Amino acid sequence: EAGVTQFPSHSVIEKGQTVTLRCDPISGHDNLYWYRRVMGKEIKFLLHFVKESKQDESGMPNNRFLAERTGGTYSTLKVQPAELEDSGVYFCASSQPGLAGGADTQYFGPGTRLTVL
Amino acid sequence: GNSVTQMEGPVTLSEEAFLTINCTYTATGYPSLFWYVQYPGEGLQLLLKATKADDKGSNKGFEATYRKETTSFHLEKGSVQVSDSAVYFCALREYSSASKIIFGSGTRLSIRP
Repeated sequence: EAGVTQFPSHSVIEKGQTVTLRCDPISGHDNLYWYRRVMGKEIKFLLHFVKESKQDESGMPNNRFLAERTGGTYSTLKVQPAELEDSGVYFCASSQPGLAGGADTQYFGPGTRLTVL
Repeated sequence: GNSVTQMEGPVTLSEEAFLTINCTYTATGYPSLFWYVQYPGEGLQLLLKATKADDKGSNKGFEATYRKETTSFHLEKGSVQVSDSAVYFCALREYSSASKIIFGSGTRLSIRP
């Protein structure tokens, strides 16, 4: 079974440009999450989709970040315009619904390393 | 709010040494606790987990026990190998939300042959 995949693996852009990150979850996983690790600090939650709906977007830093999951399959995270502080590693994770509707173990992708110059 | 604190690295040990990476947490309710590992060039992998007090998670020779009285989930391994070199993240999942995971800052472990 294929794991969570992310594209691209690396992206280098200039400040003010736009970048779109893609995540393909494990097939059949309704839950999809985005996280990021900035400057070697802790990994922080960004948002959570259940199918195509945003369940929790409390971690999105500002309105320069836009996440979508059309059709409830893959997801994209767009940063527009990118700023220097957006540099870091962006992780995607997916999970099946657990017992009593809770989220089960989250499986992570390899991450996209974003560098904003 | 909920948080995870783990010992800062980097940690460098010789092969076959005993490993402890300390982790403490602050949380309301009864969170689930995890250790994730990121090997060089790879994504995050779940190493082990524990879902209630006194549970012991174990995998690949690593162990961690959910201690509610000390709010700790220390990672241990009796004899480390070069292949254990990686970054280790302690984490919790809030029971109430059952969605987002809260991570510690990570501990980089290097094992010398």
